[in-house]
Amino acid sequence: DVKVTQSSRYLVKRTGEKVFLECVQDMDHENMFWYRQDPGLGLRLIYFSYDVKMKEKGDIPEGYSVSREKKERFSLILESASTNQTSMYLCASSLPVKYGYTFGSGTRLTVV
Amino acid sequence: GESVGLHLPTLSVQEGDNSIINCAYSNSASDYFIWYKQESGKGPQFIIDIRSNMDKRQGQRVTVLLNKTVKHLSLQIAATQPGDSAVYFCAGSNAGNNRKLIWGLGTSLAVNP
Repeated sequence: DVKVTQSSRYLVKRTGEKVFLECVQDMDHENMFWYRQDPGLGLRLIYFSYDVKMKEKGDIPEGYSVSREKKERFSLILESASTNQTSMYLCASSLPVKYGYTFGSGTRLTVV
Repeated sequence: GESVGLHLPTLSVQEGDNSIINCAYSNSASDYFIWYKQESGKGPQFIIDIRSNMDKRQGQRVTVLLNKTVKHLSLQIAATQPGDSAVYFCAGSNAGNNRKLIWGLGTSLAVNP
């Protein structure tokens, strides 16, 4: 069963910490995405990557960075976590987008 | 900018009734649309998609209708069941950037027994 795996379901971090969220896909997809999801705001794109070592800013990249050293892995980095980054983070991957995305189960991050 | 939006944030239906969830989009150049279902605590899951050269596509108990004239699509769920309770998202291709989708905010469907 093909899948997108996010390393943690729940995470609690302190303000100012550097946080790494990991995502791995086993479908050889070229595109990978990081979204955050907040009540009433839908899915907001943070960053995406269309190839190894390639990245593009989404709608809300401030306070985040990403890394894609290998095709199957896309990491989201919170350089200095803040309480307003408390959210559900969703990773997704796709072939060319006209075949849809496959999502991971999400990581619920709480910054205290 | 481009947008994809759902008409109603919440929808409540009786078990066994048909559900219709509506979505509008702004860019007539968008040529691919997709519906996702997200259950509580889970990531969104693919339901059905449609390309702009089609008006209708059917799956198991679901039908998507696309009206390009008014830039509107709908998801119809037949004989709605309690397991259909979830948030439903529509998304469309971004005519300016073929690498990503534009997402609506979601409609929360509640199925009453």
